[in-house]
Amino acid sequence: EVQLVESGGGLVNPGGSLRLSCVASGFTFTNAWMSWVRQAPGKGLEWVGRIKSKRDGGTTDYAAPVKDRFIISRDDSKNTLYVQMYTLKTEDTAVYYCTTWALAPDIGGIDYWGQGSLVTVSS
Amino acid sequence: DIVMTQSPDSLAVSLGERATINCKSSQNIFFSSNNRNYLAWYQQIPGRPPKLLIYWAFTRESGVPDRFSGSGSGTDFTLTISSLQAEDVAVYYCQQYYSSPFTFGQGTRLEI
Repeated sequence: EVQLVESGGGLVNPGGSLRLSCVASGFTFTNAWMSWVRQAPGKGLEWVGRIKSKRDGGTTDYAAPVKDRFIISRDDSKNTLYVQMYTLKTEDTAVYYCTTWALAPDIGGIDYWGQGSLVTVSS
Repeated sequence: DIVMTQSPDSLAVSLGERATINCKSSQNIFFSSNNRNYLAWYQQIPGRPPKLLIYWAFTRESGVPDRFSGSGSGTDFTLTISSLQAEDVAVYYCQQYYSSPFTFGQGTRLEI
């Protein structure tokens, strides 16, 4: 069974930093493309970014609002996905979901989601 | 960036009736080399993470009831629930995965 468990959320001051982690299990993490999606309170879904597997180059893509402030990385030895967030703004307040990206063969889109980790940016 | 626009923003349908949600992309998301539309639909029940319903515009994810169907091509897509059940009350999102950033529609709230 695929499981994605996020941690690291909490309250942070504007301008501060925070790192979220996502421990994956139930699939071969090394081969998986992964992404982060966020959802502000009472709002819709916003794609944050994606990281490919190392065998596919390990490259990252980001949404414009977080580009140059967020860094997505992975530690395949720990089956863990990260997002390091810098210069946080109040508008970054959201539940952050760790997701797989087209994990199953011939699937498109996001097939598995974690339960989410709440990040609140406020003074 | 590709903008995804859903309509309506909210919808009330009686149990057993048909529900139709539309999604329009600002650019063509059909890739002719593989004959696929890079469009997914998700269901989010309140308090829960989203769930993949349909991908490649019309392929149902494993375990999704066949009352859910997707259609459309190019820039215009539709999610149809043929006979609404109580457990279908949720917010539905479309997403394009044709090009980064992989944008979502704003969501459609479906109520009974």
